[in-house]
Amino acid sequence: LAKTTQPISMDSYEGQEVNITCSHNNIATNDYITWYQQFPSQGPRFIIQGYKTKVTNEVASLFIPADRKSSTLSLPRVSLSDTAVYYCLVGDLALFSGGYNKLIFGAGTRLAVHP
Amino acid sequence: KAGVTQTPRYLIKTRGQQVTLSCSPISGHRSVSWYQQTPGQGLQFLFEYFSETQRNKGNFPGRFSGRQFSNSRSEMNVSTLELGDSALYLCASHPGETGEQYFGPGTRLTVT
Repeated sequence: LAKTTQPISMDSYEGQEVNITCSHNNIATNDYITWYQQFPSQGPRFIIQGYKTKVTNEVASLFIPADRKSSTLSLPRVSLSDTAVYYCLVGDLALFSGGYNKLIFGAGTRLAVHP
Repeated sequence: KAGVTQTPRYLIKTRGQQVTLSCSPISGHRSVSWYQQTPGQGLQFLFEYFSETQRNKGNFPGRFSGRQFSNSRSEMNVSTLELGDSALYLCASHPGETGEQYFGPGTRLTVT
């Protein structure tokens, strides 16, 4: 299981682009990278998942370099409502499908967006 | 589609009591997983049920148990509550084999 390292906290201002980087040096060939967002007293919410290069959806973009040892979640033009904890998880697709017994949600990155 | 619902949202119990939490998954989802989230330990996996069978289990004592009904609704039970069981208990719903998990809002359990 690939261990991940993320910054503990980040600050930004409304309208700015936020990039949160996650390091996963021992990522395995079959591992995917998944990002979740969690608001206080709510369950985590899936944001984006990718394997390599770039993935984009209506919420965020995920950039993964060729060596896949890190990934960057990019949130365009953040608003106050983007204030949350963001988790980076790495694992085989099968692990994301059901039992999370092998996945570890770390401390995540606490993003604070200011007016 | 309605999301994952959990009841109750908040609960206060005293040490030694037992508690039952309920989770209704998204319609059509056959897998339900339970997690415990505390400030100190983060989000930890408890167990997963699929088609009424426990498919995966985390490293929690036997005081923590669960079950799933034929309509995929799930309950988890914690017996002989301890102060350290105070946490946000999250339920996640999943189609079964592929796709993403959807988390419910959680039940905030406080043990006094």
